[in-house]
Amino acid sequence: EVQLVESGGGLVKPGGSLRLSCAASGFTFSSYSMNWVRQAPGKGLEWVSSISSSSSYIYYADSVKGRFTISRDNAKNSLYLQMNSLRAEDTAVYYCARGSAQETGDYWGQGTLVTVSS
Amino acid sequence: DIQMTQSPSSLSASVGDRVTITCRASQGIRNDLGWYQQKPGKAPKRLIYAASSLQSGVPSRFSGSGSGTEFTLTISSLQPEDFATYYCLQHNSYPPTFGGGTKVEIK
Repeated sequence: EVQLVESGGGLVKPGGSLRLSCAASGFTFSSYSMNWVRQAPGKGLEWVSSISSSSSYIYYADSVKGRFTISRDNAKNSLYLQMNSLRAEDTAVYYCARGSAQETGDYWGQGTLVTVSS
Repeated sequence: DIQMTQSPSSLSASVGDRVTITCRASQGIRNDLGWYQQKPGKAPKRLIYAASSLQSGVPSRFSGSGSGTEFTLTISSLQPEDFATYYCLQHNSYPPTFGGGTKVEIK
């Protein structure tokens, strides 16, 4: 059974940093691109970042470029999102989601809440 | 960036109704589109991929159609568990973009 479990969310002050993790199991993690998607309270879904299976290709939304860094450790079946210079508008539930192309978003984690507030 | 315009933003319907939700892409995306269902406090769940292919385990009352710029999600006979918010997502080019969502409520 495919499982994605996010962790690392919490309350952080504006300008602070946080590192999210996504632990994957039930599939060959190293064969899949992975994504971070977020959802601000009461709002729609927003794609944040993607990383290819071997980390060769990395993409970011303009809203986070230069502040967030996506990475993965295939040996540990884990995906990460390093978030720096956090702003109030980064407050959201952050989901990791598997896949690219026709597999985009076929499985999602349960999400982890990031709150940026003083 | 490709813009996905989803309509309506909300609708009220009764159990047994046929429901149709539309997404329009700002440029052609072939069939690189998925449909997702999200219930409050839960992660999105994919219903349809490649515009018209049913995700394994998803009831057959859900169907998708379209190609290019116009796409439709249809629920043939709305069930109580279908009251949720639905999103389309294009993955034809980066950045992937979601429609604004359609909240399906009980009439």
